[in-house]
Amino acid sequence: LAKTTQPISMDSYEGQEVNITCSHNNIATNDYITWYQQFPSQGPRFIIQGYKTKVTNEVASLFIPADRKSSTLSLPRVSLSDTAVYYCLVGDLSNDYKLSFGAGTTVTVRA
Amino acid sequence: DVKVTQSSRYLVKRTGEKVFLECVQDMDHENMFWYRQDPGLGLRLIYFSYDVKMKEKGDIPEGYSVSREKKERFSLILESASTNQTSMYLCASNRQGAPQPQHFGDGTRLSIL
Repeated sequence: LAKTTQPISMDSYEGQEVNITCSHNNIATNDYITWYQQFPSQGPRFIIQGYKTKVTNEVASLFIPADRKSSTLSLPRVSLSDTAVYYCLVGDLSNDYKLSFGAGTTVTVRA
Repeated sequence: DVKVTQSSRYLVKRTGEKVFLECVQDMDHENMFWYRQDPGLGLRLIYFSYDVKMKEKGDIPEGYSVSREKKERFSLILESASTNQTSMYLCASNRQGAPQPQHFGDGTRLSIL
């Protein structure tokens, strides 16, 4: 399992772009990078997943440099409802069931 | 949309009781998981199952058992509840094969008195 490191917390304001960087120096060839969002009293919700370069969906973008030792989740134009904990996970989802959710990054969006 | 349903949102039990937490998924997923989540410790895997009647221990299986008699249902059992098992319990499921993210239920907040 690749160990991940991400900031404990980040503050932002409505309308700003929020970028959360996750370090995963020991990422393996078969590993994918997956991000989840969790609101209080709810289960984590899948946001986005990628292997290399850039992935974009209706919620976020994921930027992965060529060496894949880090990744950045980008949340465009955040609103108050984006206040949540964001988790970065790295693993081979086909074989590695023991995904490790660390403490995540608490993002607080203020008006 | 994938739906993972946990039978209770909140549950209060007494020390020594046998506690059952139920989870049902509606997407025919092969894999199902039970986690517990505690402040400052993130999510920790208790058990997972990759097929009916099949199970494997996660990182913290002590004090827990599981049952998977049907593909859509995965039960977590606290054999003799203790206060240190007070926690948020989360069930998840996914399809086998890469890459398949896990889909989570909304959790059961269990208090053991």
